Amino acid sequence: EAGVAQSPRYKIIEKRQSVAFWCNPISGHATLYWYQQILGQGPKLLIQFQNNGVVDDSQLPKDRFSAERLKGVDSTLKIQPAKLEDSAVYLCASSLVGSEKLFFGSGTQLSVL
Amino acid sequence: AQSVAQPEDQVNVAEGNPLTVKCTYSVSGNPYLFWYVQYPNRGLQFLLKYITGDNLVKGSYGFEAEFNKSQTSFHLKKPSALVSDSALYFCAVSSGSGNTGKLIFGQGTTLQVKP
Repeated sequence: EAGVAQSPRYKIIEKRQSVAFWCNPISGHATLYWYQQILGQGPKLLIQFQNNGVVDDSQLPKDRFSAERLKGVDSTLKIQPAKLEDSAVYLCASSLVGSEKLFFGSGTQLSVL
Repeated sequence: AQSVAQPEDQVNVAEGNPLTVKCTYSVSGNPYLFWYVQYPNRGLQFLLKYITGDNLVKGSYGFEAEFNKSQTSFHLKKPSALVSDSALYFCAVSSGSGNTGKLIFGQGTTLQVKP
C-alpha cells in the first residue's frame, strides 16, 4: 500500500521568499492534514481538509500561509512571505473519514535563512 | 484548553529491560489518547490508541499503554526493550467530540535502548 507522498524532501529559502509544499494522500483517504513540527516540539495542526472543504484552519497564520485541495485529492501548502520562525518540518497526514488513525508522510524540512 | 505533557526529554534503558515513557493530559470531556513513534527521516507512525473500554491498550511492536483517569495519565510501556525501539515517541490527545483527527501532541520523548 502506497503511503502519503510529500515533496520536496528539503527546501532552503531566504526570508521573504515564497515556498510551496505538495502532498498526495493515501488513496481513498478523504481527510487530509497539514502539521508544522518545529525542532524540539510536537507537531501542531495547521489545517484540516475533508475532501476539498476546510474543516479546521484555526491555527493557520492566514496572513502568510495558504493551502488548497482543489480536487479533493492532493494538496498544496504555501508560505508567502516566509519568516525565520517558519523553519520547521511540514508534515502531511491523511485518514479515512471519522477515523482516529492518521497516516503521516515523511515531511518537508524547510530552512529559512 | 487541551494539552499533553511528556515530562522526560529522554529515556534510557538497557535492551531486555522494561521501558516506560510517561504522558499526562488535560482535556475537557472524555479523552481520545494516542501514541505515535517517529524514526529518523520518517513520518510519524501510529502505535496505539485509547478511546474507551479496557484501561490497558495493546498496540504495534509489542507496545502497550495504560489509561489512568484519576491521574490523567497514559504511559507507554513495553516489557522487554529492543535496540530497534530507539526513536522519538509522541503522546497525543483529541477531545473526541466532532473532530477526532485534530491531535494535540506532546513535545516528544527520545527513547534510547542500549545493547
